[in-house]
Amino acid sequence: DVKVTQSSRYLVKRTGEKVFLECVQDMDHENMFWYRQDPGLGLRLIYFSYDVKMKEKGDIPEGYSVSREKKERFSLILESASTNQTSMYLCASTPALAGGVNEQFFGPGTRLTVL
Amino acid sequence: DAKTTQPPSMDCAEGRAANLPCNHSTISGNEYVYWYRQIHSQGPQYIIHGLKNNETNEMASLIITEDRKSSTLILPHATLRDTAVYYCIVRVSNYGGSQGNLIFGKGTKLSVKP
Repeated sequence: DVKVTQSSRYLVKRTGEKVFLECVQDMDHENMFWYRQDPGLGLRLIYFSYDVKMKEKGDIPEGYSVSREKKERFSLILESASTNQTSMYLCASTPALAGGVNEQFFGPGTRLTVL
Repeated sequence: DAKTTQPPSMDCAEGRAANLPCNHSTISGNEYVYWYRQIHSQGPQYIIHGLKNNETNEMASLIITEDRKSSTLILPHATLRDTAVYYCIVRVSNYGGSQGNLIFGKGTKLSVKP
């Protein structure tokens, strides 16, 4: 079974703290994504990576950074957490396109609360 | 912005077929229709996708109209575990600048009732 795991299901942090969200996939996928999901707004793309050490900004990268040192691991970093970053964070992965279409595999999500 | 329109909610009796509609009137010729679902407190799960032909897999069937402006996801025998939010997404087959990220709309909340 393909698997995407996230380091925590629930996380509570204080304003100004540096927060690390980890995502690991065991499918040898090239592409990895970080989304946040908020009521009424759906999923919004924060950052994605299509290879080790490569990263691209998504639609809402402000306040976030990412790291991809190994193929299987994609980390989302909140340099200084703020209350408006309270959200559900979802990681996903997909293999590199090979002339066709690919489904995205999602992790279970991390519900982050910033106080 | 999502390029699809779905009803916000639907009910279905357990054991009956659930038919979830989706309008995508501005779909382009190279865009596929994808369906995902999200069960409460879990990440989205891929269900099925198609271009212009009807598709079927172990989870569902996808019926796409001939003009491709709308589609219907069919769960043939809905169970209580199918209660979830169902998202219809259109996306090009080739990864462009966003490398294939998905744009989720608000979806349809399907409630399967005993």
